Amino acid sequence: GDSVTQMEGPVTLSEEAFLTINCTYTATGYPSLFWYVQYPGEGLQLLLKATKADDKGSNKGFEATYRKETTSFHLEKGSVQVSDSAVYFCALYSGGGADGLTFGKGTHLIIQP
Amino acid sequence: DTGVSQDPRHKITKRGQNVTFRCDPISEHNRLYWYRQTLGQGPEFLTYFQNEAQLEKSRLLSDRFSAERPKGSFSTLEIQRTEQGDSAMYLCASSFAQKYEQYFGPGTRLTVT
Repeated sequence: GDSVTQMEGPVTLSEEAFLTINCTYTATGYPSLFWYVQYPGEGLQLLLKATKADDKGSNKGFEATYRKETTSFHLEKGSVQVSDSAVYFCALYSGGGADGLTFGKGTHLIIQP
Repeated sequence: DTGVSQDPRHKITKRGQNVTFRCDPISEHNRLYWYRQTLGQGPEFLTYFQNEAQLEKSRLLSDRFSAERPKGSFSTLEIQRTEQGDSAMYLCASSFAQKYEQYFGPGTRLTVT
């Protein structure tokens, strides 16, 4: 079945550091890929998406590129801020069978001033 | 656009009691999804509706779980004879049919004592 693997957290960085959160997946067919973010005390928010190979999703300075050859969708940001502290979830939608999103376990990001 | 809303936000119940949660999707969305999220994990897909039709329910965790969407607008998720293992955050999401972005509500946190 479908699965998503994310790097374990927490990830602690200083403000203005470069961020990478790794995400790899296993899926049937050609899934769409997503990053969701959950700020403290809030619900899940869609951060960015990519629907086919080599697509780059971007939003709020975050980027991720759909790499079919490595089955990866790593999240990057050039200069993080304290306000980026949150839990980040990688997810996929393959549409095969259940029709729900498959999520990774989440990566807790802590940005220190 | 008021977003996806869920009620109640928190529910504490005693083992063996029945509970019901409500979800109101974004008004123009015809797909509605239910997920469960336990501590330290990503959301786990349970079931979904397109309009009033429940198109997938094999992922519901047991026959104690049921969901309805009687008029294709709001939905309810019921858990009968609750157990301590049912303690979790229950999330609702909605989307357009044929589009993949799912927008999540704030969740209902269930605690079974």
